[in-house]
Amino acid sequence: AAGVIQSPRHLIKEKRETATLKCYPIPRHDTVYWYQQGPGQDPQFLISFYEKMQSDKGSIPDRFSAQQFSDYHSELNMSSLELGDSALYFCASSLQGGAYEQYFGPGTRLTVT
Amino acid sequence: EDQVTQSPEALRLQEGESSSLNCSYTVSGLRGLFWYRQDPGKGPEFLFTLYSAGEEKEKERLKATLTKKESFLHITAPKPEDSATYLCAARRGGSNYKLTFGKGTLLTVNP
Repeated sequence: AAGVIQSPRHLIKEKRETATLKCYPIPRHDTVYWYQQGPGQDPQFLISFYEKMQSDKGSIPDRFSAQQFSDYHSELNMSSLELGDSALYFCASSLQGGAYEQYFGPGTRLTVT
Repeated sequence: EDQVTQSPEALRLQEGESSSLNCSYTVSGLRGLFWYRQDPGKGPEFLFTLYSAGEEKEKERLKATLTKKESFLHITAPKPEDSATYLCAARRGGSNYKLTFGKGTLLTVNP
């Protein structure tokens, strides 16, 4: 079965640089979520989109922005990167605006040096 | 504020030694209690969704149950390949879509 696709899988950036993470949801899923997971931590919700509109917002820094496109893929844009942004970033997708379970992608490991 | 607390933080079992993981939650108008399995460096893998107290779901050696205040993940006769971090997450009612995760239980099953 098709799963959530994330790219790139690994990314190394320097402080103050920008990064763009991409997420391709499971076919027919209309809702996308972004989570950040630090080392040894649980996933923390950042932001979600339903039918290309922002549906919920969590602890996402102002330096980060995201959007969902007409083909339902989503991009997380991160600017002025800080050392503390180093983490695993997961994208998840679900059907019908979150009424059903969320399926997670393999994640993007971002390292800021 | 929504809270999800998992215990124990870590659990070491011998192969075949059954046990349970606990997830207690404080969520307004719960609209789903989710269990995930996560291997190191990988994305959480969906296991179960529970919606109402008294509900139970099973998959192979795992069974999840739900009460009004907590959920249990029972592991029967575990095998070494069951070793992973098990995450519990809750979704509140209304238009919020996010999951609030617990910190997980790291399960190690020794052969």
